[in-house]
Amino acid sequence: DAKTTQPNSMESNEEEPVHLPCNHSTISGTDYIHWYRQLPSQGPEYVIHGLTSNVNNRMASLAIAEDRKSSTLILHRATLRDAAVYYCILRDRYGNKLVFGAGTILRVKS
Amino acid sequence: DGGITQSPKYLFRKEGQNVTLSCEQNLNHDAMYWYRQDPGQGLRLIYYSQIVNDFQKGDIAEGYSVSREKKESFPLTVTSAQKNPTAFYLCASSMREPNTEAFFGQGTRLTVV
Repeated sequence: DAKTTQPNSMESNEEEPVHLPCNHSTISGTDYIHWYRQLPSQGPEYVIHGLTSNVNNRMASLAIAEDRKSSTLILHRATLRDAAVYYCILRDRYGNKLVFGAGTILRVKS
Repeated sequence: DGGITQSPKYLFRKEGQNVTLSCEQNLNHDAMYWYRQDPGQGLRLIYYSQIVNDFQKGDIAEGYSVSREKKESFPLTVTSAQKNPTAFYLCASSMREPNTEAFFGQGTRLTVV
């Protein structure tokens, strides 16, 4: 299974942009890059996904490197409600295992 | 409303007893998953199922069992063989296509005393 690597934690100031990196050097051509976030004592929630092109939605933007070996989740203006654990995972069209790593703990300071 | 429901939210059991956690979805999803989460840790995959009457072991299946007799339901049994069952258990479901999102339940916190 292709794996992802994320920093253990990051800190941001409220109202500032946040760039959360993810490395996935063994990604295959058909793997989709997904991001989820988890608030304390809750189940994870979907944030965004992409294959090759950059993606935007109401929650965030996803920037994917040209070689697809890394990606960055961008929160344009962090709020205190964005403090969570952010998971970057790869989803392939065969196994459908949905394997999560340790994620990045995002702390937002007011 | 469509969604995925786990019950109960909190569960207490005595050591040595088997316990079954419920997971139901009405999203018409083919795939369902069970994860375990320990304090301060990420999600670890226990079992997953891509279709009714079929399921595969994840990374930490020992001491757990599942069934998938109906598309909507994927119960997880924590058996007495699981040495450290106290944890937060999460169920998820999704379509099988890789460009679709997974939906998670709110979790069951199991405490074995």
